[in-house]
Amino acid sequence: GQNIDQPTEMTATEGAIVQINCTYQTSGFNGLFWYQQHAGEAPTFLSYNVLDGLEEKGRFSSFLSRSKGYSYLLLKELQMKDSASYLCAAIDSNYQLIWGAGTKLIIKP
Amino acid sequence: IAGITQAPTSQILAAGRRMTLRCTQDMRHNAMYWYRQDLGLGLRLIHYSNTAGTTGKGEVPDGYSVSRANTDDFPLTLASAVPSQTSVYFCASSRSTTDTQYFGPGTRLTVL
Repeated sequence: GQNIDQPTEMTATEGAIVQINCTYQTSGFNGLFWYQQHAGEAPTFLSYNVLDGLEEKGRFSSFLSRSKGYSYLLLKELQMKDSASYLCAAIDSNYQLIWGAGTKLIIKP
Repeated sequence: IAGITQAPTSQILAAGRRMTLRCTQDMRHNAMYWYRQDLGLGLRLIHYSNTAGTTGKGEVPDGYSVSRANTDDFPLTLASAVPSQTSVYFCASSRSTTDTQYFGPGTRLTVL
């Protein structure tokens, strides 16, 4: 079956760096997305990786290793507003998005 | 530009009633999707439409139906609501099936 695994919850300190890991098993692979979702709101797009390597976008970076079925989202210089859930999703061979359950990130002052 | 809108924002519904959740996008996106989100389970695809006039079943289609008469609108109908359909429903759209999906604000539905 198809599966996305990511930690349920993580805690980090304001100003620090946190890495949220995601492993995937899908029938085929056509890219991986990271979304941010604040409580009570809709998911919003953060990043997309289809090739191996690191994509940097300001304080956020996303890494992909297709051979390992692995991705991570790196958040630097954490701010209180980064407290949210982070969703990992992979596109399978049918071009459907397979979603992880999300990682709730708690930022402490 | 509104992007993607959903109505109603929230609804309490008696079991057995029929309900249609509305979704409209003004981005001229070809693909549209309906998801439900429940605590601890993440987003689950109910139905999708790759282009106007076509629809497909997702992971959890039972009890739901959709139509895609034009590019902009993608309503989701619960023919006879049951309590297990209590959830937050998100509509999303994308330019194509491999492009970024953009989400509406969601509808919080409670079936009693």
